[in-house]
Amino acid sequence: AQKITQTQPGMFVQEKEAVTLDCTYDTSDQSYGLFWYKQPSSGEMIFLIYQGSYDEQNATEGRYSLNFQKARKSANLVISASQLGDSAMYFCAMREGSYGSSNTGKLIFGQGTTLQVKP
Amino acid sequence: EPEVTQTPSHQVTQMGQEVILRCVPISNHLYFYWYRQILGQKVEFLVSFYNNEISEKSEIFDDQFSVERPDGSNFTLKIRSTKLEDSAMYFCASSETHSPETRTYNEQFFGPGTRLTVL
Repeated sequence: AQKITQTQPGMFVQEKEAVTLDCTYDTSDQSYGLFWYKQPSSGEMIFLIYQGSYDEQNATEGRYSLNFQKARKSANLVISASQLGDSAMYFCAMREGSYGSSNTGKLIFGQGTTLQVKP
Repeated sequence: EPEVTQTPSHQVTQMGQEVILRCVPISNHLYFYWYRQILGQKVEFLVSFYNNEISEKSEIFDDQFSVERPDGSNFTLKIRSTKLEDSAMYFCASSETHSPETRTYNEQFFGPGTRLTVL
């Protein structure tokens, strides 16, 4: 069964420093996608970054990068140059397979990591 | 930029009452989802909807829940007889279909959520 594990309930980082949020996953599917979402205190879910299982390069989106280690089944989020506005809950999520009659594209989420950026 | 919208933002209801949560997905999207998040917990998949029918539902999505796409724009979640444990944030999400290798194909856009409080 597919599973996402985020082992860090809470993290602190100093403003302007980099931080890594851990995510490991378990799936028997050969094709899957990994996502990171940010949830600020206001509650909305903000898409940050996506990594496909067949992508050979690590995904990057501005200050966000995904350290994808397929053999270890890990997809850690790296936030560089942390800002106060980065304080939020961060969720790792996975979608198995490609869209089609046998796959619905549902996302399975981890428990989340609360990040606090200190000034 | 197109976005998923949800109404109402907050719904308070008495136990046993019916509620309808409304969503307007992004117009060219074909896959629709409902998720819920109990306060302080992870986001959980409820149901996916494609081609005017449910494509997958979780064990949470019992007979008290139903979804409908009554017209070309709205996507609704109905809870027939609410329970205290239905209190949660409910998120609607949608995604489009393109090449499975592109990010836009895979990204699920989330609405801002409806906070349901059952008294």
